[in-house]
Amino acid sequence: SQQGEEDPQALSIQEGENATMNCSYKTSINNLQWYRQNSGRGLVHLILIRSNEREKHSGRLRVTLDTSKKSSSLLITASRAADTASYFCATDSRGGYQKVTFGIGTKLQVIP
Amino acid sequence: DGGITQSPKYLFRKEGQNVTLSCEQNLNHDAMYWYRQDPGQGLRLIYYSQIVNDFQKGDIAEGYSVSREKKESFPLTVTSAQKNPTAFYLCASKGTANYGYTFGSGTRLTVV
Repeated sequence: SQQGEEDPQALSIQEGENATMNCSYKTSINNLQWYRQNSGRGLVHLILIRSNEREKHSGRLRVTLDTSKKSSSLLITASRAADTASYFCATDSRGGYQKVTFGIGTKLQVIP
Repeated sequence: DGGITQSPKYLFRKEGQNVTLSCEQNLNHDAMYWYRQDPGQGLRLIYYSQIVNDFQKGDIAEGYSVSREKKESFPLTVTSAQKNPTAFYLCASKGTANYGYTFGSGTRLTVV
């Protein structure tokens, strides 16, 4: 099965600072996705980056993808207390359907 | 509004009892998934279905059963064979390639 592994597991920053979290994976992918989960809620899809893209922006989110290193990073700029959540990555693989799994996630705390 | 509805939000199960968690989507997605999340853990795949009347075991299928009689519905039964069912259960669906997963808001199951 394909698995994304997030790093660090926990991150605490002050409001207004930038937050960077990373994701590594093991096999070739079609795309990589980032999700946010607020405590006790379902996951919300944030952004998808395709394997032929290197960088993508959505509002205060910036995602990069390095397929040679099999890694991705999610940058949240000018963080807000409302960004406090866990963040997960997931991948869709090449070569037909594979079981997609999610890692433990990065737990981000933004201190007001 | 299109989305996924999980019910109930909270569910209590007595020892030795089977319970069924509901998951309904009106997104016209072919693929549907069930994940289990334990505190501080990532999501673990229980079952998934790519098409009506077909489903496959995920990584932790023992003690669970599913059906996919309609495209919109993918109920999960937690049987008495599941020895440690207390967890947060998430249902998700996915449409075509290069789109992310849509998650429900989850069902929290507790054994009493």
